[in-house]
Amino acid sequence: GQQLNQSPQSMFIQEGEDVSMNCTSSSIFNTWLWYKQEPGEGPVLLIALYKAGELTSNGRLTAQFGITRKDSFLNISASIPSDVGIYFCAGRHTGNQFYFGTGTSLTVIP
Amino acid sequence: SQTIHQWPATLVQPVGSPLSLECTVEGTSNPNLYWYRQAAGRGLQLLFYSVGIGQISSEVPQNLSASRPQDRQFILSSKKLLLSDSGFYLCAWNRGGNQPQHFGDGTRLSIL
Repeated sequence: GQQLNQSPQSMFIQEGEDVSMNCTSSSIFNTWLWYKQEPGEGPVLLIALYKAGELTSNGRLTAQFGITRKDSFLNISASIPSDVGIYFCAGRHTGNQFYFGTGTSLTVIP
Repeated sequence: SQTIHQWPATLVQPVGSPLSLECTVEGTSNPNLYWYRQAAGRGLQLLFYSVGIGQISSEVPQNLSASRPQDRQFILSSKKLLLSDSGFYLCAWNRGGNQPQHFGDGTRLSIL
């Protein structure tokens, strides 16, 4: 199957700092999704991207669909304690299957 | 609006026992339905997906099976659980194609 690499695997940041994470694929995708998962719950959709170069925001979160279509980026500005969780990227080329990254664990220190 | 329900939330089963996890979607018709397993809080592994009643695609060979007896109902089963079946099982739905998948709250399965 497709390989999605997320970086970094984990982050420990101070409250108020900005966060950047990325996801790279071994092949081209037509759709990128970003999710957040909190302990004991299912992933919740944050942002969906459908076009190369697209930049989409959701509050303090901004995600970009890379020009090469092999990567995507998620930024969180002015982090707060409730941003804690695991962030997953997911990509799709065609068909019904999305491929998920291994996640970036975010810890925000008050 | 659409909602997805999974139950039970937590399950502890002995090795060799049967399993039945249920997932239902409300507020939409003819959804695509998916079962994932997540180990150690990372890495969602797609187990099965279904594009319609009675249609099941299996992504990995394993001790589990899936069924879709009704349009908005998806069931994950096993006849005899193994220790390696422990994990967090997630059900998801979407409208197909590039539409985002939406997840239930998951079932934590522990095998003793």
